[in-house]
Amino acid sequence: RKEVEQDPGPFNVPEGATVAFNCTYSNSASQSFFWYRQDCRKEPKLLMSVYSSGNEDGRFTAQLNRASQYISLLIRDSKLSDSATYLCVVILFSGGYNKLIFGAGTRLAVHP
Amino acid sequence: DTGVSQDPRHKITKRGQNVTFRCDPISEHNRLYWYRQTLGQGPEFLTYFQNEAQLEKSRLLSDRFSAERPKGSFSTLEIQRTEQGDSAMYLCASSLYLGQGNEKLFFGSGTQLSVL
Repeated sequence: RKEVEQDPGPFNVPEGATVAFNCTYSNSASQSFFWYRQDCRKEPKLLMSVYSSGNEDGRFTAQLNRASQYISLLIRDSKLSDSATYLCVVILFSGGYNKLIFGAGTRLAVHP
Repeated sequence: DTGVSQDPRHKITKRGQNVTFRCDPISEHNRLYWYRQTLGQGPEFLTYFQNEAQLEKSRLLSDRFSAERPKGSFSTLEIQRTEQGDSAMYLCASSLYLGQGNEKLFFGSGTQLSVL
């Protein structure tokens, strides 16, 4: 089983739609969680942190469910510019170091 | 530009040749990571430096790969005797350390390696 799993998609949605992605992780000792956005042929960029209490940034809401070991990203009122791959990142402190583990990403395509 | 910079952006080489990539991290960050990414996959960890010390290496990093970070500033990643399977995007990231189990990575634009 992969340490971090994501549905690869693509999620094809019209502008204005609400879309949600989930990401599951296998190690219950994981400590921090993030969503990164990656445009085609570009580097990943930090989108937002994820907390148990939820984290909202404009149209984006991230949530952590420790009991079920998944994190989610909700995008409301989708824009064409939201089209990208969304990478889930889990951090585990192990062997004295932070181990950052990336999911394979979920691709979102927003169409007019 | 105060972000992470990588050079070159693209590298095409023939199998068996050696290649070297450079990364200049954000100056205030003392941690530096190298990742490799292939199409449809997330970045895979290769190695990690804290200042000039290389503290961890992935099993992905065969003996043909070597990374250095002299003086704790820029870093280089060298691949010797390249193979077609080495073709990938090589990403460098510098890190804002927030504590045990918590840090944020800032990536460079990557070096796209194509081995013919």
